Amino acid sequence: QVQLQESGPGLVKPSQTLSLTCTVSGGSLTSGDFYWSWIRQPAGKGLEWIGRISTRGRTNYSPSPSLKSRVSISVDTSRNQFSLKLSSVTAADTAVYYCATLGANDFWGQGTLVTVSS
Amino acid sequence: QTVVTQEPSLTVSPGGTVTLTCASSSGAVTSGHFPNWFQQKPGQAPRALIYSTDNKHSWTPARFSGSLLGGKAALTLSGVQPEDEADYYCLLYYGSGQGVFGGGTKLTVL
Repeated sequence: QVQLQESGPGLVKPSQTLSLTCTVSGGSLTSGDFYWSWIRQPAGKGLEWIGRISTRGRTNYSPSPSLKSRVSISVDTSRNQFSLKLSSVTAADTAVYYCATLGANDFWGQGTLVTVSS
Repeated sequence: QTVVTQEPSLTVSPGGTVTLTCASSSGAVTSGHFPNWFQQKPGQAPRALIYSTDNKHSWTPARFSGSLLGGKAALTLSGVQPEDEADYYCLLYYGSGQGVFGGGTKLTVL
């Protein structure tokens, strides 16, 4: 059974870059036809799809104006991890961030709260 | 920017049937949008119910079903149970693989 675990700073200052890592256990990041995704959810609000990276390294990012051009997702196959970087953060980026695989193989991390504040 | 729209809230009686829908501002939803449905209960991570329109996961109760209905993706719950009270989200994919979640439907079982 694949398990995912998010990690990273819980507090980020405005204008800085938010960096999170998702560690995959119980399976290889490079095996199968998975898409490794990032999703976020501000408190009391709905889910927002941020982006994904395939096992072959192909990326798709959200076209949302709130995210566009600020997102970067990468993989580190040696550590069986994939990562999210979100630049120039503001208070509006405060949310619980989830890593997940979606689709036929659906696994989620427990989520990690990231607060943007000075 | 494409907007995915769901009913903000619905109420259903125990044992009843309810259909949640998922519409796209860019036109009819098709199987090519690979509709996914997720359930989220308070304090928990979302959990997938349906992928690619109508495919269930091994953990998806039989009373949940996905379909396309009148140009929208639909999630139907037949024989609703009290534990089905939750938020439900649809996810559609566009173009080369960009995803957009709907705003979610709060389902009340009353």
